[in-house]
Amino acid sequence: LAKTTQPISMDSYEGQEVNITCSHNNIATNDYITWYQQFPSQGPRFIIQGYKTKVTNEVASLFIPADRKSSTLSLPRVSLSDTAVYYCLVGGSFRNRDDKIIFGKGTRLHILP
Amino acid sequence: NAGVTQTPKFRVLKTGQSMTLLCAQDMNHEYMYWYRQDPGMGLRLIHYSVGEGTTAKGEVPDGYNVSRLKKQNFLLGLESAAPSQTSVYFCASSYQSPGEQYFGPGTRLTVT
Repeated sequence: LAKTTQPISMDSYEGQEVNITCSHNNIATNDYITWYQQFPSQGPRFIIQGYKTKVTNEVASLFIPADRKSSTLSLPRVSLSDTAVYYCLVGGSFRNRDDKIIFGKGTRLHILP
Repeated sequence: NAGVTQTPKFRVLKTGQSMTLLCAQDMNHEYMYWYRQDPGMGLRLIHYSVGEGTTAKGEVPDGYNVSRLKKQNFLLGLESAAPSQTSVYFCASSYQSPGEQYFGPGTRLTVT
């Protein structure tokens, strides 16, 4: 089972770029890497997903090295509203019944003015 | 378009009581999931479904049962609630897997 490890918390300032790294040493061939954002008392919200190399959308970039044992979520120019918990998730292809989805414990990102 | 809805939002049970949590989605998604989230923890997958009439166990299935009789609904049952099942329960759905999961607002369950 691919387990994930993230920093417990991070602080940054408004306008800065924030990079959050997730380790997933036992990632399987079929596993994708997905990041979610969660605000207090709400369900998580999808940010970005990738399999390898780099993926970019309107809110973030995801960098995945060739060995896929880690990934980095990059948030450009953060604002106070980006203060939240960010989860790295590995798995979810469900091509066979042993496939699972594993959420990490999350990184609590605190943006300072 | 309501997305993913969960019923009820809050519930208090006594040990040994049973209840069913209802999840409904109006996006015609094939995949549906039930998670639990304990304080300071990430989400843990309880059960999931890859289509109407199918269910499968996730990471922490013990003490829970599920059913997916209709494509839009995914029910989570607790037959005999225990204090260890005190948690926030989230339902989610997705068009494909892996893919973007849409989460409901959660159900806060307390078992005394």
